[in-house]
Amino acid sequence: SQKIEQNSEALNIQEGKTATLTCNYTNYSPAYLQWYRQDPGRGPVFLLLIRENEKEKRKERLKVTFDTTLKQSLFHITASQPADSATYLCSTNAGNNRKLIWGLGTSLAVNP
Amino acid sequence: DAGVIQSPRHEVTEMGQEVTLRCKPISGHNSLFWYRQTMMRGLELLIYFNNNVPIDDSGMPEDRFSAKMPNASFSTLKIQPSEPRDSAVYFCASSLDTYGYTFGSGTRLTVV
Repeated sequence: SQKIEQNSEALNIQEGKTATLTCNYTNYSPAYLQWYRQDPGRGPVFLLLIRENEKEKRKERLKVTFDTTLKQSLFHITASQPADSATYLCSTNAGNNRKLIWGLGTSLAVNP
Repeated sequence: DAGVIQSPRHEVTEMGQEVTLRCKPISGHNSLFWYRQTMMRGLELLIYFNNNVPIDDSGMPEDRFSAKMPNASFSTLKIQPSEPRDSAVYFCASSLDTYGYTFGSGTRLTVV
């Protein structure tokens, strides 16, 4: 069955640098991958979606890539700010329905 | 729009008691999802409704869990009887499209 794997180690970077988070899927190429942000005590917030036929998607300082050869999506935050500190979750559909499967998330800390 | 509204925010109950979690989705959204989040397992889909009809409840752990959606603006998740292993954060989410879910702030359930 399809699984989503994200780096469990927290990522610490300096303000102004680019943060890069990784999401790997284990089985078939999904129709799309989604990225969400979750702050402590809050629900996840949708950020970006990238489809299988898209190589790259951008939104302001955010960029997502989708590499079907590597079975991987990368999530980049350029010019990172302390306010970007949060846990970032990757998810995708599990087959031909609206059931999503999720990675455990990667914690990002941007230090001033 | 007030977003997805969940209540209560926190619930502490004794083992064996009945627990009812409530959710008001965003008006106009046609799908509603109940998730459970733990550190070890991350986000797990319990059940989802489309147009108030349960579509997939394969994630419901056992018969102690039940969910209803009597109308488009209200859903409940009930656990009876509750057990310590049910302790987790329970999220409700709603959506109109296949992606871009809007999550509530969650209910932190502690069963002692």
